[in-house]
Amino acid sequence: DAMVIQNPRYQVTQFGKPVTLSCSQTLNHNVMYWYQQKSSQAPKLLFHYYDKDFNNEADTPDNFQSRRPNTSFCFLDIRSPGLGDAAMYLCATSRDVTGGQPQHFGDGTRLSIL
Amino acid sequence: AQKITQTQPGMFVQEKEAVTLDCTYDTSDQSYGLFWYKQPSSGEMIFLIYQGSYDEQNATEGRYSLNFQKARKSANLVISASQLGDSAMYFCAMTEAAGNKLTFGGGTRVLVKP
Repeated sequence: DAMVIQNPRYQVTQFGKPVTLSCSQTLNHNVMYWYQQKSSQAPKLLFHYYDKDFNNEADTPDNFQSRRPNTSFCFLDIRSPGLGDAAMYLCATSRDVTGGQPQHFGDGTRLSIL
Repeated sequence: AQKITQTQPGMFVQEKEAVTLDCTYDTSDQSYGLFWYKQPSSGEMIFLIYQGSYDEQNATEGRYSLNFQKARKSANLVISASQLGDSAMYFCAMTEAAGNKLTFGGGTRVLVKP
């Protein structure tokens, strides 16, 4: 089945130690999104790629970066994680940016900061 | 700016009964999309149903139906014949005409009782 895969499911890192979260998709979708979801809150969009075009949300901290080396893969890099960055990170894809396209989510990576 | 409001933080429902989850939205766009997602405790976001702002008929997908009242700016989700596996967090979300970025409501936690 075509799907969105996030690795790892659980990630533990130390305060200030860079960490990378991975997302891959077999849907051949043009758009890939990264969301941050803190405990008991709604997901919040960090940024998205439309093909190779990177689109950052205005309030996304500089500490968060992303790379999309090809259509299938997208990475979320947190350069210096702080305690406030502990959250579930959700990757999603959609065919394009036309309004009304359902986004297909991966299972998420739960990040803990020690 | 868009805003999604879910006024029910949590609710119980008896197995096999129907449940309605409330969602109201605010937007100045004429063209927009409304979505419902389910998030079990395991964390993945599962797309349930979509309603476009120009769709005249209410969307239905199996046991899920969306009660769309455009004048009231509401998009309530109805789950018929509730099952134990329906216990989860449910998010109402919206995309605007320009782009496919999701704005989520705060969510409603549903617990189905046997």
